[in-house]
Amino acid sequence: AQSVTQLDSQVPVFEEAPVELRCNYSSSVSVYLFWYVQYPNQGLQLLLKYLSGSTLVKGINGFEAEFNKSQTSFHLRKPSVHISDTAEYFCAVSEDYKLSFGAGTTVTVRA
Amino acid sequence: GAVVSQHPSRVICKSGTSVKIECRSLDFQATTMFWYRQFPKKSLMLMATSNEGSKATYEQGVEKDKFLINHASLTLSTLTVTSAHPEDSSFYICSARPPGDYGYTFGSGTRLTVV
Repeated sequence: AQSVTQLDSQVPVFEEAPVELRCNYSSSVSVYLFWYVQYPNQGLQLLLKYLSGSTLVKGINGFEAEFNKSQTSFHLRKPSVHISDTAEYFCAVSEDYKLSFGAGTTVTVRA
Repeated sequence: GAVVSQHPSRVICKSGTSVKIECRSLDFQATTMFWYRQFPKKSLMLMATSNEGSKATYEQGVEKDKFLINHASLTLSTLTVTSAHPEDSSFYICSARPPGDYGYTFGSGTRLTVV
């Protein structure tokens, strides 16, 4: 069975500064990895996913993530954030076609 | 891209009544859909996997008689919260995986408030 740990529950950041959201997973088999964003009272929007191949994955809205198998990590980064990036971010692992989510990281971007 | 539509977005009901939430895949067929529950400031908890033409598979601890799931067509799954109580108040989200795609598309969620 897999589990997902998001190491930061809240990340405050200034506008135009970089941000990194950390995610570690545990699984006994190969997995697919995802990052989703959730705005208040909305569903989840896929930012990016890792299935195989290049360990650096680029997603929407300038986000990217790096898969590190040896460290079982899938950290999300953005070099310069905007106010509109204020949201909840979830890391997820897929195994047997089911998604398991981390606890989420609240990103608050300040001017 | 793939779109999953969920209705209603908000519903308020009285204790003891039942509420039905619909989840539709608009531009693809989904033999499997997933229902999640999300508490305030919390992550998503998988409640059940909805299978077209067969019974849903419920996660451990989820009452199947309380949360009735029907997946009668390849584009529609419904979740009915029966005899709702205030503790059932939550944010419910559905998702589906388009064929040939390893990503999951989510509905916009339903905020249920039981008074």
